[in-house]
Amino acid sequence: AQKITQTQPGMFVQEKEAVTLDCTYDTSDPSYGLFWYKQPSSGEMIFLIYQGSYDQQNATEGRYSLNFQKARKSANLVISASQLGDSAMYFCAMREGGSSNTGKLIFGQGTTLQVKP
Amino acid sequence: KAGVTQTPRYLIKTRGQQVTLSCSPISGHRSVSWYQQTPGQGLQFLFEYFSETQRNKGNFPGRFSGRQFSNSRSEMNVSTLELGDSALYLCASSLVPKGRGTEAFFGQGTRLTVV
Repeated sequence: AQKITQTQPGMFVQEKEAVTLDCTYDTSDPSYGLFWYKQPSSGEMIFLIYQGSYDQQNATEGRYSLNFQKARKSANLVISASQLGDSAMYFCAMREGGSSNTGKLIFGQGTTLQVKP
Repeated sequence: KAGVTQTPRYLIKTRGQQVTLSCSPISGHRSVSWYQQTPGQGLQFLFEYFSETQRNKGNFPGRFSGRQFSNSRSEMNVSTLELGDSALYLCASSLVPKGRGTEAFFGQGTRLTVV
């Protein structure tokens, strides 16, 4: 069964430092997509970055990069030069492709990140 | 370009009542999905619509229903509300349901409280 695991309920990072948020996934489908979202206290889910299972290179979007290790089934999010505004809940999610006829996202339990000044 | 708009933002209802939540996707997006978020269960998939057709449904009772209109706007309805239905309901829109680059963009959510 498809599953996303985020093992870090909470993380602290000093402002301007880099931080890695862990995500492992389980799927038997060779075609899938991995997403990271940020959810501030306001509730909105903000899309950060996407990685396709067949992508040769790790995805990057500004200060966000995704450390994709397919053999280990991990898709860790790296935030460089943390800012106070990065304090939020972060969710890893997966969407299966292949024969699946749906865009359904499966989410992990989330990691709360707090950036300290 | 306007983002995903969900209305209302906050709602308080009494047990036994019914409620309708609305979602307007990003212009041009034809796929809309709904998710329920609670502290205990996390984010759970409710249903997905594409071109006015329900393509997938999560493991929720029949009290939860939805529909999509020809302009891609979607509504979800919960009848006979229970205390456990209190949650943040999030709507996501995509160009199409799946495939390369079909990122799902979320609205700000509707926070439903059942008393």
